[in-house]
Amino acid sequence: SAVISQKPSRDICQRGTSLTIQCQVDSQVTMMFWYRQQPGQSLTLIATANQGSEATYESGFVIDKFPISRPNLTFSTLTVSNMSPEDSSIYLCSVEAPTDTQYFGPGTRLTVL
Amino acid sequence: QQQVKQSPQSLIVQKGGISIINCAYENTAFDYFPWYQQFPGKGPALLIAIRPDVSEKKEGRFTISFNKSAKQFSLHIMDSQPGDSATYFCAATEDTGTASKLTFGTGTRLQVTL
Repeated sequence: SAVISQKPSRDICQRGTSLTIQCQVDSQVTMMFWYRQQPGQSLTLIATANQGSEATYESGFVIDKFPISRPNLTFSTLTVSNMSPEDSSIYLCSVEAPTDTQYFGPGTRLTVL
Repeated sequence: QQQVKQSPQSLIVQKGGISIINCAYENTAFDYFPWYQQFPGKGPALLIAIRPDVSEKKEGRFTISFNKSAKQFSLHIMDSQPGDSATYFCAATEDTGTASKLTFGTGTRLQVTL
């Protein structure tokens, strides 16, 4: 399985600011995914990031709010823009293995005041 | 619209007992059904997974039972241990042609008591 790291592991931010979350994988992967997990809730897919192309966003998520970069096959970033307290969540990246399995990073716990 | 329904929301089992978590789906395009285990402050970890051409898969104390006609699948944890206390998510994958998109159930918080 892939080893995935995320930075930062947690942060406390003021409303109106932006935070960029980094996701690093120890092997080259085609697809990376970003999820949001609100407190005590399940995981919701934000977008799919394929290297070399624009990210594909799920219903309810837009690029202006959650811009994503995918500069190479081992790295991706998610920015949470113009944050409000409703953005307080755990943000997780995952990668797709050849067997359709997805492996998840440890998550970034974001609190917006 | 919730595509994967999971129950119960929470479960308390005594040490040594059997924990059973159930999931049901509607989308017949789902073709891969993983279960994830999540401890507080951690990301979900793949526990076990099954494809619809198999009715049961066992790995150690963990077993998935799959009923394709009923569109239901379940996780059984035999000889439950306090270390199994975590939140469990069932999920289902649909191959969209460009990526396999995971849809998660709502989660079951399992507590195994001594």
